[in-house]
Amino acid sequence: GENVEQHPSTLSVQEGDSAVIKCTYSDSASNYFPWYKQELGKRPQLIIDIRSNVGEKKDQRIAVTLNKTAKHFSLHITETQPEDSAVYFCAASSPGYALNFGKGTSLLVTP
Amino acid sequence: EPEVTQTPSHQVTQMGQEVILRCVPISNHLYFYWYRQILGQKVEFLVSFYNNEISEKSEIFDDQFSVERPDGSNFTLKIRSTKLEDSAMYFCASSETRGDGELFFGEGSRLTVL
Repeated sequence: GENVEQHPSTLSVQEGDSAVIKCTYSDSASNYFPWYKQELGKRPQLIIDIRSNVGEKKDQRIAVTLNKTAKHFSLHITETQPEDSAVYFCAASSPGYALNFGKGTSLLVTP
Repeated sequence: EPEVTQTPSHQVTQMGQEVILRCVPISNHLYFYWYRQILGQKVEFLVSFYNNEISEKSEIFDDQFSVERPDGSNFTLKIRSTKLEDSAMYFCASSETRGDGELFFGEGSRLTVL
């Protein structure tokens, strides 16, 4: 099955700086790569996703890049704000199969 | 905005007892899932369900677990004989498509096994 590796496990940045979280996946058939944000005690919520026919996608301060050859994808958050503090999970799935998640990155944005 | 709802929000049970966790997926979704998250760890896939049958399950989903859609709205996860290591947050999720579409998660059911 799909194996998703995520790093770093923790990330601390100053408000206004950028944050980058990286993930690798094992199944070359995977074609869907979402990122979820989970605040303490809450449900995971989708913040951005990318499909394998696209190399990069941006939504305001958030962007995701995908390198299918290297089987890795990254989340970029620019101009970080304290409310960006949360655990971020990457995930991957291949057609017809369920999402498999990485271990999560705990992001702390300090004022 | 439609959302996935789960009950109970928290259940405490004794080891060896049966537990049923309930979920109401978003009404026009066809694919249903259970995931679990042990405190501080990643979200782990348990099972997916489509057209009234299991479509995929993980190694975690052993004979102690079962799922059912007893009526047109509820989707349940049963743990037959709970173990201490079953203590976790259990998330139900649903989606319109399978494998390449957004998963909508419920708020979760926290299970504590004593």
